[in-house]
Amino acid sequence: DIQMTQSPSTLSASVGDSVTITCRASQSISSWVAWYQQKPGKAPKLLIYKASTLQSGVPSRFSGSGSGTEFILTISSLQPDDSATYYCHHYNTYPITFGQGTRLEIK
Amino acid sequence: QVQLVESGGGVVQPGSSLRVSCVASGFTLSSRVMHWVRQAPGKGLEWVAGISNDGSNEHYPDSVKGRFTISRDNSKDTLYLEMNSLRNEDTALYYCAREGGSSGKAPYFDYWGRGTLVTVSS
Repeated sequence: DIQMTQSPSTLSASVGDSVTITCRASQSISSWVAWYQQKPGKAPKLLIYKASTLQSGVPSRFSGSGSGTEFILTISSLQPDDSATYYCHHYNTYPITFGQGTRLEIK
Repeated sequence: QVQLVESGGGVVQPGSSLRVSCVASGFTLSSRVMHWVRQAPGKGLEWVAGISNDGSNEHYPDSVKGRFTISRDNSKDTLYLEMNSLRNEDTALYYCAREGGSSGKAPYFDYWGRGTLVTVSS
């Protein structure tokens, strides 16, 4: 199975800052990565798929990059509403696996 | 708009069975591959099952293979997950998720329900 190692596990930043979250795959997975945002008590929300394609309706402050084994989610101009846990997910092949999650706190 | 509403969760004893359901609306269920993803309390996400549009193909991770069965009734716009031989570690919030697209081999998910809680405890 392909493992997704996500870092950092927690992150604290201020309104207006930019942050990056990294996901490393245990083997090359081309660009088959999606990113999700999950707020407490809510279902995950798709932000980005195919490593860098923004899902419809998602603010352009969110961006994704990478290919092969290293992938990055960047959130610029942080807003208070961005406080959430973020997960990466590979869909190169079955079984699908997720990163462990990154909890983002807005100071 | 797309809605996925899960139901059927509850408290069950280890070794028992439970079936959870997901009713879809706002799109034609038969046009989409569907999945179940779970989340143990305070933990991350784990994919547990997927089924093709017509129900002819199923996929499972090793952790549930042979114990869980995914099925669908497109005439009722409903997805199911039958869980047998339940273990304490199956305790989780079970989400129904719609396939948004795929690599040609596996999917990502564009819509999720709010989940139904399954608690396995003696």
